[in-house]
Amino acid sequence: EDQVTQSPEALRLQEGESSSLNCSYTVSGLRGLFWYRQDPGKGPEFLFTLYSAGEEKEKERLKATLTKKESFLHITAPKPEDSATYLCAVQTGANNLFFGTGTRLTVIP
Amino acid sequence: ETGVTQTPRHLVMGMTNKKSLKCEQHLGHNAMYWYKQSAKKPLELMFVYSLEERVENNSVPSRFSPECPNSSHLFLHLHTLQPEDSALYLCASSQLQGSSGNTIYFGEGSWLTVV
Repeated sequence: EDQVTQSPEALRLQEGESSSLNCSYTVSGLRGLFWYRQDPGKGPEFLFTLYSAGEEKEKERLKATLTKKESFLHITAPKPEDSATYLCAVQTGANNLFFGTGTRLTVIP
Repeated sequence: ETGVTQTPRHLVMGMTNKKSLKCEQHLGHNAMYWYKQSAKKPLELMFVYSLEERVENNSVPSRFSPECPNSSHLFLHLHTLQPEDSALYLCASSQLQGSSGNTIYFGEGSWLTVV
């Protein structure tokens, strides 16, 4: 059965304290792995798509990497405005994403 | 204007009411989705429409009834809901293209409370 697990469930960082969020997956036929950011009361905002092991993508303080079993979202020198829930999702068929439960990140000034 | 627009943003309804959620996408995509997001649970896919045809219906109770009149608009008709249906309902769209992954873009969601 396809499965996506995110860890940790919650993470508190001091401003400037770099860290990584993990997304491990067990799926048959990965078409893509997606990272989203979700602020309270809002819809998920697309961040990255990764298609194959070894691929990396960067955007400002965020960098996403992918292996055959997991993906990491690295946050370098985070700021309070990076506080949000980060969702990982995997796509196996054309029409669906399987989501993890997310990591709730809080960055303290 | 945002890519995917949902109305209303908040809805409170009684268990005997009938209401509808509306979604419009301005991205020129050919697929639209309804997802449900409950506390402490992963997003759950409810329905998918591809080129205005329903292609997925993930065992959703019949009290939820989708409608896709064209590729830009999607509705979710609600009737005789239960309190456990209270959740954030998210509309999304994407451009389906062959066998490669396609990015799904979400709206801001409609918060539904059933009393």
